[in-house]
Amino acid sequence: KQEVTQIPAALSVPEGENLVLNCSFTDSAIYNLQWFRQDPGKGLTSLLLIQSSQREQTSGRLNASLDKSSGRSTLYIAASQPGDSATYLCAVKNYGQNFVFGPGTRLSVLP
Amino acid sequence: EPEVTQTPSHQVTQMGQEVILRCVPISNHLYFYWYRQILGQKVEFLVSFYNNEISEKSEIFDDQFSVERPDGSNFTLKIRSTKLEDSAMYFCASSGNTLYQETQYFGPGTRLLVL
Repeated sequence: KQEVTQIPAALSVPEGENLVLNCSFTDSAIYNLQWFRQDPGKGLTSLLLIQSSQREQTSGRLNASLDKSSGRSTLYIAASQPGDSATYLCAVKNYGQNFVFGPGTRLSVLP
Repeated sequence: EPEVTQTPSHQVTQMGQEVILRCVPISNHLYFYWYRQILGQKVEFLVSFYNNEISEKSEIFDDQFSVERPDGSNFTLKIRSTKLEDSAMYFCASSGNTLYQETQYFGPGTRLLVL
């Protein structure tokens, strides 16, 4: 059964800093992996989708990488801004299994 | 930009009552999903739906739950006899042409409180 963990659980950084969020999964036979952003009391916004055949995806200041063999994905945020403050979730889809979410990393970017 | 909408935003109900949560997915999407998030816990998959039938469901999605696409635009989640532990935020999502292959777009959620 797939298990997804995220480190750190919470992170506080000054504005402008580059940062890395980590996601680990136990079953490497994944179909795809998605990174989401969740604002307090709100729904989820998809940030990046990486297919199993891909190594990374980029969107603006965000870059997500995928290393299936080691069961890891990282989300890199460049030049962080206060508006980036949110909880970041990774979610993994395996063949024949349901979509499994990690617990999230709560990011605070201080002005 | 098209978006997924959900109603109501909040619902309070008594234990044992039936509730129906409503979702309007993005109009050209073919795949629909329900998730829940108990306060302070992970987002959990409930069910996926395609071509008027359930594609996958989790262990959480027992006989008390059902889904329906009654009119070609709405997608509903029914809980027949609510329990205290059903209190959670329920999210609807939709995606395009290929199950799980494409980005899932989430609605803002319905916060359900069972008393």
